[in-house]
Amino acid sequence: GAGVSQSPRYKVAKRGQDVALRCDPISGHVSLFWYQQALGQGPEFLTYFQNEAQLDKSGLPSDRFFAERPEGSVSTLKIQRTQQEDSAVYLCASSFQGVTNSPLHFGNGTRLTVT
Amino acid sequence: DQQVKQNSPSLSVQEGRISILNCDYTNSMFDYFLWYKKYPAEGPTFLISISSIKDKNEDGRFTVFLNKSAKHLSLHIVPSQPGDSAVYFCAASVQGAQKLVFGQGTRLTINP
Repeated sequence: GAGVSQSPRYKVAKRGQDVALRCDPISGHVSLFWYQQALGQGPEFLTYFQNEAQLDKSGLPSDRFFAERPEGSVSTLKIQRTQQEDSAVYLCASSFQGVTNSPLHFGNGTRLTVT
Repeated sequence: DQQVKQNSPSLSVQEGRISILNCDYTNSMFDYFLWYKKYPAEGPTFLISISSIKDKNEDGRFTVFLNKSAKHLSLHIVPSQPGDSAVYFCAASVQGAQKLVFGQGTRLTINP
C-alpha cells in the first residue's frame, strides 16, 4: 500500500555532473509523469509514460534531460551536464489510468541543487 | 505565458471561517480542473476536481466552483481548520492530453 517513492530525497551536484533520479510508482499504475517545480512556482510538466512507452516528452527543457521506464514500472530521470538552472524539485506522479480518469499521486520529490 | 494563474500568493483566514481560493485560466480548451494541496517537503495531494460540464462539485468541507464564461474557478473550504494550512495549487488539463498545467500556488494560513 506504499505511495510513490522517489530517491534520493536530496541531491547536490556540481555543475557539469550527470545525475539520475529514481521513481517507484504505485504498483499497478499504468501512467507515470515527471514534473519540475522551481522555487515559488507550480509544478511544470516534463514527460509522460503509459507503461513503458514515453508518449509525451514535450516538457523536457533540453536534450540534456532524458527519461526512461524500460519495464513499465520504475522510471529514471537523467540530467546530463547539469546547469544551475536545473536546480529544482523533481516530482514523479503516477495514476491508474490518466490525468482525467484518475487523480495523480505524487511522490515527495527529489530536491536537486546544482552548485 | 502563464495559462493558469493564481493571483494571490497568500491568504490568511480565521479558524472556522470560510477560505476562498481563486484561479483564472486563459486556455479555452481546458475542460478538466483540479485542486491539489501541498505540505512542506511533501508532494501535492489531490483534493477535488471538476469537469467543464459542471459548475459545482462538493466533497465534504470542500467545494469547487467553475465559471466557464469568466474562465475562473474557486475553491471554498468551510469551516476552515488549522490542518488546512498548506499551499494550494489549481491545475487544468485538456481532455485526452495527459498533462496538467498548474498555477503558481496560494499559501493558506488558518489562524486559531
